[in-house]
Amino acid sequence: QSALTQPASVSGSPGQSITISCTGTSSDVGSYNLVSWYQQHPGKAPKLMIYEGDKRPSGVSNRFSGSKSGNTASLTISGLQSEDEADYYCCSYAGSSTLIFGGGTKLTVL
Amino acid sequence: EVQLVESGGDLVQPGRSLRLSCAAYGFRFDDYGMHWARQAPGKGLEWVSGISWNSAAIGYADSVKGRFTVSRDNAKKSLYLQMNSLRPEDTALYYCAKGGDGSYARFDIWGQGTMVTVSS
Repeated sequence: QSALTQPASVSGSPGQSITISCTGTSSDVGSYNLVSWYQQHPGKAPKLMIYEGDKRPSGVSNRFSGSKSGNTASLTISGLQSEDEADYYCCSYAGSSTLIFGGGTKLTVL
Repeated sequence: EVQLVESGGDLVQPGRSLRLSCAAYGFRFDDYGMHWARQAPGKGLEWVSGISWNSAAIGYADSVKGRFTVSRDNAKKSLYLQMNSLRPEDTALYYCAKGGDGSYARFDIWGQGTMVTVSS
């Protein structure tokens, strides 16, 4: 069970788009359409932003979108806003009732 | 209001045991898989354990397998994590999280966490 690989940090200016990658293996990301993404502001609990690769929960802005290709999932945030500055984590089902998180990506809005 | 409230976190010595609890409010607890995740100070999220709605399917991270045991009491709408042989590296904020509609493999709602510190 090795953590999924995410870039440590990404940045963008207000109004721009950014993409965060999440690379796993054929045993997790590549085998299941069960990748989810979480936003965490400092001192707060995580919040579900995307599930099953590309689905948005009710109430989450359509500026957030997800995709997957092979063993890599991606989260794209368009029209960056200052409140998007946070840590983002991907998570994948890995079989046998186990899940695995990515190491997290710190998004800075310049 | 859908809410999860964790309790039981404490300062404990290495090798000792601790039991965490999570009380669920505002949803049909016995319809959902439930999970424990943790976050060491200044570090990322780590999934710890999950349990299906009927306790038939249970999973653990390799880092806690054989030391931690997850369980649930649907009548009491509660989730538990029995932690034995605690190590300093288990020091973290432990979150309880609710699985999704029809899917064990995501966390729709999170509690605010309970802090576990393992130190002599």
